[in-house]
Amino acid sequence: DAGVIQSPRHEVTEMGQEVTLRCKPISGHDYLFWYRQTMMRGLELLIYFNNNVPIDDSGMPEDRFSAKMPNASFSTLKIQPSEPRDSAVYFCASSLWKSTGNTIYFGEGSWLTVV
Amino acid sequence: GENVEQHPSTLSVQEGDSAVIKCTYSDSASNYFPWYKQELGKRPQLIIDIRSNVGEKKDQRIAVTLNKTAKHFSLHITETQPEDSAVYFCAAHGSSNTGKLIFGQGTTLQVKP
Repeated sequence: DAGVIQSPRHEVTEMGQEVTLRCKPISGHDYLFWYRQTMMRGLELLIYFNNNVPIDDSGMPEDRFSAKMPNASFSTLKIQPSEPRDSAVYFCASSLWKSTGNTIYFGEGSWLTVV
Repeated sequence: GENVEQHPSTLSVQEGDSAVIKCTYSDSASNYFPWYKQELGKRPQLIIDIRSNVGEKKDQRIAVTLNKTAKHFSLHITETQPEDSAVYFCAAHGSSNTGKLIFGQGTTLQVKP
C-alpha cells in the first residue's frame, strides 16, 4: 500500500487566503485523523472521523477551520481565512479499528506557511 | 479529560549509553500504548507498542515497560547510536472504543558521538 497520501506537501499563502489540505487514507482503514504540529504546542488532534462520520472536532481551533470526509478514500481540511498563526505542519493519519488498540499511520504532512 | 504527560522534554546521552523516556496517563481504561519516532522533517513512525495485558516488550535495542497500577509506561533504548537522535512521542489509547490516541508532548533525544 502507498500509505497515507497528503497534498500539497508544501504551501505558502498570504494571510486571508483559503487553504485546502487533502488526504487519502490507507485503503480499508476506518479511522481518519487530522493533527497539527508546532514547536509550541506539539502534536494536536484537530478532528477525527470514523467511517466518514466526524466523531470529535473539539480540537478544531475556531470556525475558520473545517474538515470533511465525503467518502472512505478522501478528506479535506480547510482554513478560511488563513492567518499567520496557522503556520504549522498538518498531518493526516489513518487506522483500522482493533479492540486491542489502534495503530495510527501518518502521512508525510502538509507544511503550511501563512505570510 | 484524557491526558498523557511525557518526561523529559529533552535528553542528551553519549553514544553507547542508555536512554529512558517516561510517560503517565490519566485514563485507567486505556489499553494500548504506542511509541513513535519522528526524525527531523519527517512523519512520526511507530517503533514499538505495548498492550495492557503485557508488562514488558522488547525489540532489539528498544524495550517498553508498562505499570497499569501506577498508570505509567516507559521507553528504554540501549546502546544508543547517533541515528537514534529524534523526537520520541508516547501515546495512549483514549477512552474505550473511541479509536483516538492521546499523544505526549514529545522528547527530543540527542545522541552525541
